[in-house]
Amino acid sequence: ELKVEQNPLFLSMQEGKNYTIYCNYSTTSDRLYWYRQDPGKSLESLFVLLSNGAVKQEGRLMASLDTKARLSTLHITAAVHDLSATYFCAIWIYNQGGKLIFGQGTELSVKP
Amino acid sequence: SAVISQKPSRDICQRGTSLTIQCQVDSQVTMMFWYRQQPGQSLTLIATANQGSEATYESGFVIDKFPISRPNLTFSTLTVSNMSPEDSSIYLCSVHDVGGSGNTIYFGEGSWLTVV
Repeated sequence: ELKVEQNPLFLSMQEGKNYTIYCNYSTTSDRLYWYRQDPGKSLESLFVLLSNGAVKQEGRLMASLDTKARLSTLHITAAVHDLSATYFCAIWIYNQGGKLIFGQGTELSVKP
Repeated sequence: SAVISQKPSRDICQRGTSLTIQCQVDSQVTMMFWYRQQPGQSLTLIATANQGSEATYESGFVIDKFPISRPNLTFSTLTVSNMSPEDSSIYLCSVHDVGGSGNTIYFGEGSWLTVV
C-alpha cells in the first residue's frame, strides 16, 4: 500500500528550540515536496528535493532527502512564532502520468 | 512561477445542489490536478484534468459526482454534484508544468465550500 507518513503529527515547540519533522514513504520516488499551510490559507511551496542526498535551506528551515531510506526530514532551527503552521510533505509518483501523494501533515505551534 | 486563480473562493451551498469551481492559470501548463482537503485533514487527489480527454479519477472518486472539464492548457473546472454536508471541504486546483524549467507544483488559493 502506498503511504506517506509524517512524524510527529502535532508539535508544540518553544521559541529558540530546534526540532525535526520526519517524512517516510513506502514507494520509490525521486521527487519530494515540502509545503506550508497557514490556517485558512492554501499551500505555499517550501522545497523541492530531486535527488538522493539533496539538502535545501531557507531561513530557519532545512530539508533533506534520502531516497534509499525513503525518508525526508524538515529541520527547524531556533524556532520563532512565525513558523507556526501545518507542514506537509508529498512525493511525486509516476503512475498514470504522475501525481503528488501527501502525508498527513504536521501541525507546528511555536510558543514564546 | 504560475499564478492560479480559483473561483469561487468561498461559498455556502444548499444540500442537493451542484457547484462548479473554476481554475485559471496565467500560462499554459501540462498537468492540472484537483484536490480535496476535508476539515483538519490532508490533501486527497480527486483527479487529473486532461486536456482534450476525460479526467483520470482516483479511487473513491467518480465522474458523476465530480465532473471535470479541461478545454485548454490554462483552464479547468470541477463540479461538485448533488452536494451533501460531507462535501464541505476546501477544493484546490494544482498545476505542474512538466516542460518548464522547474519542478515546482503550484496550488491555487482554494475554494472553501460549506454545504448546509
